Amino acid sequence: DVKVTQSSRYLVKRTGEKVFLECVQDMDHENMFWYRQDPGLGLRLIYFSYDVKMKEKGDIPEGYSVSREKKERFSLILESASTNQTSMYLCASSLSRDAPYNEQFFGPGTRLTVL
Amino acid sequence: EDQVTQSPEALRLQEGESSSLNCSYTVSGLRGLFWYRQDPGKGPEFLFTLYSAGEEKEKERLKATLTKKESFLHITAPKPEDSATYLCAGRMDSSYKLIFGSGTRLLVRP
Repeated sequence: DVKVTQSSRYLVKRTGEKVFLECVQDMDHENMFWYRQDPGLGLRLIYFSYDVKMKEKGDIPEGYSVSREKKERFSLILESASTNQTSMYLCASSLSRDAPYNEQFFGPGTRLTVL
Repeated sequence: EDQVTQSPEALRLQEGESSSLNCSYTVSGLRGLFWYRQDPGKGPEFLFTLYSAGEEKEKERLKATLTKKESFLHITAPKPEDSATYLCAGRMDSSYKLIFGSGTRLLVRP
């Protein structure tokens, strides 16, 4: 079974802090994704990566950056956290762009609160 | 614009009362329609992929079907443990991304 893990289930940070959210997958997947999920807005894609050191902006990249130095690990960085970044953050991975069935498998999520 | 719309937003059923959830899509060159289950405070759990119109997939009390314009998730004789939010998502041709619907919150009462 695919396993996607996230470094924290709950996180509380202060406005202006730099925040790192870590995600690791154990199935040698090429693609990795970061989403945020908010009530009434659904899942929104922040960034994704289709290879090591490669990244592409999703629908809401402002205020975030990402890092993918190893295939299994994808980090989301909030350079200066703000209260409007309080949300549930979800990491996902999928096999590869060309795979016929390219299901995304999700981690358990990190509930981030910025005070 | 590529879009995935789910209905109803919320559904309450009595245990054993079968029903269906709808997912309509306008996604260019659909290359997969995905169903997920999400429990409160947790990440979405993958259920099914449907690839072409007419395809059906089953898992326990759940059956997913696909037409050229929509997908249905049929729940037969549901139990309280089926209570969750069900998400559908479409993948466009040659894209990494999934377009998610806003979900249907299902509550099954004993």
